[in-house]
Amino acid sequence: DTAVSQTPKYLVTQMGNDKSIKCEQNLGHDTMYWYKQDSKKFLKIMFSYNNKELIINETVPNRFSPKSPDKAHLNLHINSLELGDSAVYFCASSLRGAEQFFGPGTRLTVL
Amino acid sequence: KQEVTQIPAALSVPEGENLVLNCSFTDSAIYNLQWFRQDPGKGLTSLLLIQSSQREQTSGRLNASLDKSSGRSTLYIAASQPGDSATYLCAVGGSWGKLQFGAGTQVVVTP
Repeated sequence: DTAVSQTPKYLVTQMGNDKSIKCEQNLGHDTMYWYKQDSKKFLKIMFSYNNKELIINETVPNRFSPKSPDKAHLNLHINSLELGDSAVYFCASSLRGAEQFFGPGTRLTVL
Repeated sequence: KQEVTQIPAALSVPEGENLVLNCSFTDSAIYNLQWFRQDPGKGLTSLLLIQSSQREQTSGRLNASLDKSSGRSTLYIAASQPGDSATYLCAVGGSWGKLQFGAGTQVVVTP
């Protein structure tokens, strides 16, 4: 199926740990994004890559580091996890900034 | 700074009624506007994308209008069905595809 996929779907971890979320799209898009949906369901952009180049880097703690090994993949690594990092993280992709398609989300719970 | 507001926050209608969802934004310098649907615990499904040069877009029972000068978009859903129950999100597209979301309108369609 053509889609945006994310792994894992659920992530439960202890404070202070380091974790990664992976995203892949097979839509042939050139731009990928990470969004965070907080406990109040508000969605906010974190990062965006276009052709493996970082183009959007919002005010996010530097414990969060995105990496794009190629146009089809965008990973998010989080160091020293804190309680406030608990949220749902969505990956999205688009072609040249047009219509965005979202993945199913990764629910991160930090205990 | 762009701010996106969706009114009402929640809406309940009987099946068969038309739905009218409103979205307003403060900065008219937008590239596009995208409407999404989010079901509980799920990702976002793109419904319609309106380019900044367009006045409206239609897909089946859905019609979205855009008035850039007044900073408003409206999503109309004709003849609502219980399956239309979801949260509807409006997102304004800026440079580099950066989407800024409203808080959403939670819709319940009762049989």
